[in-house]
Amino acid sequence: GENVEQHPSTLSVQEGDSAVIKCTYSDSASNYFPWYKQELGKGPQLIIDIRSNVGEKKDQRIAVTLNKTAKHFSLHITETQPEDSAVYFCAAHTGGSYIPTFGRGTSLIVHP
Amino acid sequence: SAVISQKPSRDICQRGTSLTIQCQVDSQVTMMFWYRQQPGQSLTLIATANQGSEATYESGFVIDKFPISRPNLTFSTLTVSNMSPEDSSIYLCSVGDTYTGELFFGEGSRLTVL
Repeated sequence: GENVEQHPSTLSVQEGDSAVIKCTYSDSASNYFPWYKQELGKGPQLIIDIRSNVGEKKDQRIAVTLNKTAKHFSLHITETQPEDSAVYFCAAHTGGSYIPTFGRGTSLIVHP
Repeated sequence: SAVISQKPSRDICQRGTSLTIQCQVDSQVTMMFWYRQQPGQSLTLIATANQGSEATYESGFVIDKFPISRPNLTFSTLTVSNMSPEDSSIYLCSVGDTYTGELFFGEGSRLTVL
C-alpha cells in the first residue's frame, strides 16, 4: 500500500518568515495530494491540493509543488502569521480511492 | 462542502465503560468515515460506514470494539466499547466529496479514559 513520509515533525519560525513542509510518497499510482490544516480543538480542513497533471499551485500565501519523478510534494507558506500556527497534514490518494494515506503531521509554530 | 456536527465534543470516561459518539451531516452522503487521532499522532482510519450495509473496518479495528451504526444518509454513530486508557484519543467523523476527493471533518470528540 501507499506510504507517506512527512518532515519535519515540528517547525518553528518567526512571523514573516517562510515555512516549507515536505512529503514523499511511495505509490506511483497516487494522483491527488491534498494538504490539511488542523487548528487546536478543531478537525482538519483542506487548505490546498494538487493533482498529478500539475507541477505547482498557488493560493495567496500558500503554494504546493509536486515532483512526480521523485515522488515528493511540498507545502510553502510565505510571510507567516501567528494564525498559521497549527498542525499540517499531507495526504496522497491512489487512483480513484476516496481514502487517503496521511503523513504524520507537522506542528508549525509562528512566533510573533 | 459539508458541515459535520459531532457529539460529545469531549468526555471523561471510566475504564470498562462504553461511549457512543454521534455524527450528523448537513447533506446526504453515501460513505462516512471514522478516524482516530491519538495524542500527537496522525489520522488513522477506523472504518467506513455505508448506509444499509455493515461497516468496513481497517486492519487492527474490530466491530466488537468499535460498533458503528448508519441508519440513514445523514447520520452515523461510533461506539467505543469496554474502554481502557489506551482508547484516549480524538475520534473524528468525516465525509468525502466524490468529485474532488476532499475530506470534510467534524470538530472531533476528545475522549479521556481514566
